[in-house]
Amino acid sequence: QKEVEQNSGPLSVPEGAIASLNCTYSDRGSQSFFWYRQYSGKSPELIMFIYSNGDKEDGRFTAQLNKASQYVSLLIRDSQPSDSATYLCAVKGGDKIIFGKGTRLHILP
Amino acid sequence: NAGVTQTPKFRILKIGQSMTLQCTQDMNHNYMYWYRQDPGMGLKLIYYSVGAGITDKGEVPNGYNVSRSTTEDFPLRLELAAPSQTSVYFCASRSESSYNSPLHFGNGTRLTVT
Repeated sequence: QKEVEQNSGPLSVPEGAIASLNCTYSDRGSQSFFWYRQYSGKSPELIMFIYSNGDKEDGRFTAQLNKASQYVSLLIRDSQPSDSATYLCAVKGGDKIIFGKGTRLHILP
Repeated sequence: NAGVTQTPKFRILKIGQSMTLQCTQDMNHNYMYWYRQDPGMGLKLIYYSVGAGITDKGEVPNGYNVSRSTTEDFPLRLELAAPSQTSVYFCASRSESSYNSPLHFGNGTRLTVT
């Protein structure tokens, strides 16, 4: 069974600090990696995706991928109270997209 | 654009009843997915489809059935509902134009089986 692992948290980060969210995956054949944000009672929404080793930046968000270590992370700079949510890591292998359990992030004002 | 539309929004079922969760999308996406999300947990893939007439099992298919007779519609059928099927169900679609194309989610159906 292909697996995606995340620390469920909660992860508490002071406002303005950097939040670091981590994800590991078991399938070495995985092709693409996604980070979704989900507010309570809402549908997941895409933050960003990454498919090449290294870093990808989009505004305050940076995704990092290390395929050799089967590890993907999301950094959120200058954390805001509106960033408080659950962050879901998703991994695409073939046509399936598998999600981790999500990490609850709480930004402390 | 309506995007991905799920009906109903809420439903309460008695044990042993059956129902169909409806999902339709107007983006002409070939790929469609059904996930369930239990409280405080991530999304578990139930079934997916890569086009009309083609469906495949995901991580947790037991107790569910799907069909894909058109590109737009991907209904999920629950037969003999059990309390373990109490969950929020999300339907999603994606374009096949790129292997990086993201999932577009519906608003979910909250199902309670008592």
